[in-house]
Amino acid sequence: SQQGEEDPQALSIQEGENATMNCSYKTSINNLQWYRQNSGRGLVHLILIRSNEREKHSGRLRVTLDTSKKSSSLLITASRAADTASYFCATKGGSGGSNYKLTFGKGTLLTVNP
Amino acid sequence: SQTIHQWPATLVQPVGSPLSLECTVEGTSNPNLYWYRQAAGRGLQLLFYSVGIGQISSEVPQNLSASRPQDRQFILSSKKLLLSDSGFYLCAWSANGQGQIRGYTFGSGTRLTVV
Repeated sequence: SQQGEEDPQALSIQEGENATMNCSYKTSINNLQWYRQNSGRGLVHLILIRSNEREKHSGRLRVTLDTSKKSSSLLITASRAADTASYFCATKGGSGGSNYKLTFGKGTLLTVNP
Repeated sequence: SQTIHQWPATLVQPVGSPLSLECTVEGTSNPNLYWYRQAAGRGLQLLFYSVGIGQISSEVPQNLSASRPQDRQFILSSKKLLLSDSGFYLCAWSANGQGQIRGYTFGSGTRLTVV
């Protein structure tokens, strides 16, 4: 079953604007990760945030995590046309046998118009 | 550096034919290995994962099987393909014991069309 659900399903913005994507999940997690997928390609790991962290930055990416609301957001600042891709959140289980498996959401398709 | 190879990139197979997709990882040892399937416009569905040679766990009962004959080789197979097996298949690996601090590395995927 899919744990994470991204919102919105699709987002279209102009170059230079910020893009915000949200992810909600249902059960306790060890960490939450964001991935990017260009059309027809494999996924690329962007950033990982642990359950005891609230915010993390990497370049133009900012990720927040609210475990009380079971939600995360990915902010891409000063977007570029090359940021056009699908973005997925993935959760890693909190304990036991699920601890090394990632469960992915359906993704947000981001289109950045030049 | 670690690399992951997945082939073929595209495959068109008739219904009822066998399937073999191969994935190999270089530059690491004892990785955790995964097979995911992605249907059009959908998220990724975990099919199989392996934490060691000969150790395969299946997530979803289906027409597919997986094997890990060597430490860094993961194979996805089917004896008889169904139309519903069409999709984008992705292999991935993660460092064993470091799932808390690292993400997965994915291969470039295989687009399978069953006709």
